[in-house]
Amino acid sequence: GDSVTQMEGPVTLSEEAFLTINCTYTATGYPSLFWYVQYPGEGLQLLLKATKADDKGSNKGFEATYRKETTSFHLEKGSVQVSDSAVYFCALRGGGSYIPTFGRGTSLIVHP
Amino acid sequence: EAGVAQSPRYKIIEKRQSVAFWCNPISGHATLYWYQQILGQGPKLLIQFQNNGVVDDSQLPKDRFSAERLKGVDSTLKIQPAKLEDSAVYLCASSLVASGIGDTQYFGPGTRLTVL
Repeated sequence: GDSVTQMEGPVTLSEEAFLTINCTYTATGYPSLFWYVQYPGEGLQLLLKATKADDKGSNKGFEATYRKETTSFHLEKGSVQVSDSAVYFCALRGGGSYIPTFGRGTSLIVHP
Repeated sequence: EAGVAQSPRYKIIEKRQSVAFWCNPISGHATLYWYQQILGQGPKLLIQFQNNGVVDDSQLPKDRFSAERLKGVDSTLKIQPAKLEDSAVYLCASSLVASGIGDTQYFGPGTRLTVL
């Protein structure tokens, strides 16, 4: 079945550092890929998405490119802020089934 | 625009008791989802409704879990009887598009269930 693998956390960075959170997936067909963010005490919210190969999703300075050849959708940001501290979830839908599949989440902690 | 509402936010029960969670999706959203998120894991879909019909419930433990969405608006998820392993956050989400794989899901704040 479909699956999503994210890098283990927590990821701890200083403010203004470069961020990469790795995400790889296994799926049949051509899924859509998503990154969700969960701030402390809040529900998940969509950060960005890409629906076909080579698409780049971007929002709030975050970017991720749908790489079919490496089955990856890595999240990047050039300069993180303390307010980016949250848990980030990679997800897919529309691979082998229409059931949304989420990774385990990666906690990001940004220090001033 | 009001977001997805869930209640209660927290619930503590003893094993073998029953519990119910309520969700009110964003107005006009046809699709409603219930997820279970165990600590340290990503959300796992339990059931998906389109209007008041079930689209997928293949991952719902039907011997103890049930869900309904009467009138195609708000929804309830019930557990009866609860087990220790049901301790988790139960998330409700809704989306506007009925079946698009690229559609955006909007999540509620979740209900944290602790089973003692």
